[in-house]
Order: sequence, then structure tokens, then C-alpha cells
Amino acid sequence: GNSVTQMEGPVTLSEEAFLTINCTYTATGYPSLFWYVQYPGEGLQLLLKATKADDKGSNKGFEATYRKETTSFHLEKGSVQVSDSAVYFCALRAWGKAGGTSYGKLTFGQGTILTVHP
Amino acid sequence: EAGVTQFPSHSVIEKGQTVTLRCDPISGHDNLYWYRRVMGKEIKFLLHFVKESKQDESGMPNNRFLAERTGGTYSTLKVQPAELEDSGVYFCASSQGRTGDGNEQFFGPGTRLTVL
Repeated sequence: GNSVTQMEGPVTLSEEAFLTINCTYTATGYPSLFWYVQYPGEGLQLLLKATKADDKGSNKGFEATYRKETTSFHLEKGSVQVSDSAVYFCALRAWGKAGGTSYGKLTFGQGTILTVHP
Repeated sequence: EAGVTQFPSHSVIEKGQTVTLRCDPISGHDNLYWYRRVMGKEIKFLLHFVKESKQDESGMPNNRFLAERTGGTYSTLKVQPAELEDSGVYFCASSQGRTGDGNEQFFGPGTRLTVL
């Protein structure tokens, strides 16, 4: 079946440090890949996505590149801020079809808690 | 435009009791999903509605869980009777139209369920 593995957290960084959160996946076919972020007290928000190999998703200074050869989608940011403190989830959406209908359910990793100190 | 809302935000119940969680999707979104996160682990898919029909309920853990979506609008997820392992955060998400890549799933803030 489909699965997503994220690096174990929590991750604690100082402001302006470089961030990498590793994510690898197992899926049949060609999934779409996502990073979601959950800020304290809020729901999950889509941070970025990539739908095919070698695509780079980017948003708010975060980037991730869809690497089919290594089945990875690592999240990076060159200089983190205190406001980036949150839980980050890597996810994939693989298409299963039955009767011609695609379901689009997301498969998530276990989440990585990021804390950024001033 | 209002986002996905969930009620209650927290629920604490005794083992064996019944709890009903509610999700109101974004208006006009045909797709509604339920997910849950147990004990800091990964968020797992429970089921997917398209309008009032269940399209995929492969993630429902057992027959103690019952999901409905009345008239294709809001959805409820009932747990009866609740067990200790049901504790976790239950998320609801909705999206427009067919679940193509352009149709982002918007998530609610979640309901934290604690079963004692």
C-alpha cells in the first residue's frame, strides 16, 4: 500500500537557521506530493505541492522537489522564523480508480514538530 | 467565505459512551473527507463522501463508527460505544468538484476526542 515516512522530530532551530525535513514515500503509479502545515490551534493548511517528477513546489520561502528516483520530497527553507513554528506533514495522493471514479484520499506521514527560537 | 468548521473542538467522554462529531464543509464543496490522528502518529484517512454518497469508507476502523452526510451538506461521525483507542484528533476536509489535482482539500481545525 501507499505510505509516507517523515524524519523524526521534534526539530528545534534558532531563527535564520536552515531547515530540512526529510520525507520519503512508497506508492504505486505517480502520486501527487504535498506538504501541509498546522499552526497552533488551527487546522491543516496546504503549504506546497508537486504533481509530477522534478516539479518544485514553493511557498512562503519553503521549497520541496519531487524526486522520483529517490522517492523523496524533502522540505527546505533557507532561513526560518519564529512564526514557522508548527507541525509539518508530508502527504501523497495516489489515484485509485473503481468504476471510473478517482477518490483522492491523502496518505500522511507522522508529522514533524518544528520549534524556532529567537 | 467561511472555512471548514468542526464541532465540538474538544470532547471528553467515558469508555462505552457515545459521541457525535460534526463537520460543516465549505459551501458548495461536494467532497467531504474524515481523517484522524491518534497519539501523535500519522493522520489516517477514514472515509470520503461525494455529496451524500459514501465513495470510499475503506479507512473506517470498525462498525462502532458511523458517518452520515445529510442532504450532502454537513456530516456527522458517531462513535458508539467509544473505546480508549478512539482517542485522538478527528479532522474533516472538503474540496470542490471532482478530486483532480487542482482541487485542494481544505481542513477544519479538528475535534480532539479523549476517551477515559
